[in-house]
Amino acid sequence: GAGVSQSPRYKVAKRGQDVALRCDPISGHVSLFWYQQALGQGPEFLTYFQNEAQLDKSGLPSDRFFAERPEGSVSTLKIQRTQQEDSAVYLCASRAAGPYQPQHFGDGTRLSIL
Amino acid sequence: QKEVEQNSGPLSVPEGAIASLNCTYSDRGSQSFFWYRQYSGKSPELIMFIYSNGDKEDGRFTAQLNKASQYVSLLIRDSQPSDSATYLCAPSGSARQLTFGSGTQLTVLP
Repeated sequence: GAGVSQSPRYKVAKRGQDVALRCDPISGHVSLFWYQQALGQGPEFLTYFQNEAQLDKSGLPSDRFFAERPEGSVSTLKIQRTQQEDSAVYLCASRAAGPYQPQHFGDGTRLSIL
Repeated sequence: QKEVEQNSGPLSVPEGAIASLNCTYSDRGSQSFFWYRQYSGKSPELIMFIYSNGDKEDGRFTAQLNKASQYVSLLIRDSQPSDSATYLCAPSGSARQLTFGSGTQLTVLP
């Protein structure tokens, strides 16, 4: 079946602009995660949804970052008033219900802030 | 101390050799452990997971877990140039999200 799909693959924005990144998880996966990956580092957790409920947003670096998953499927990560330090790859992962289930990652969105 | 520690490498091994990748973690509540492979410019790809102490083998890959020592490793036998990538260790602890190490960059020399 189809994997996790993210769009756009690449996004270039000027500092101060707002951006929206989309994630379409694997069908039936109740859990959805957003991670931020800087060059040469492992992914860092941003936020987690179970169905439409955002259960953990402790990793969001500032109140400029906002995520939603209104119908428990597609999720959007929005960054307002972008800064250069927001430049990174944003990865979305989804996971099926049940113990020891792995997370499956999308190809990510590479965000560059000029 | 970082939650997950990995040698960043780069680790170079000749083709056909065994590559040994190590990871230590601080969260004693971690129950399952995932190894992801990430090629340059690509997303992490799951290659192994383990949740019981001891060894788990899958083809050329063997994961080893020692919860008492808070240590998990990945062995790659008969290394191939296509194994050249960054390997990420990710324990799954009390929180549902994964906590990744910074990864070990492996290069298999032909």
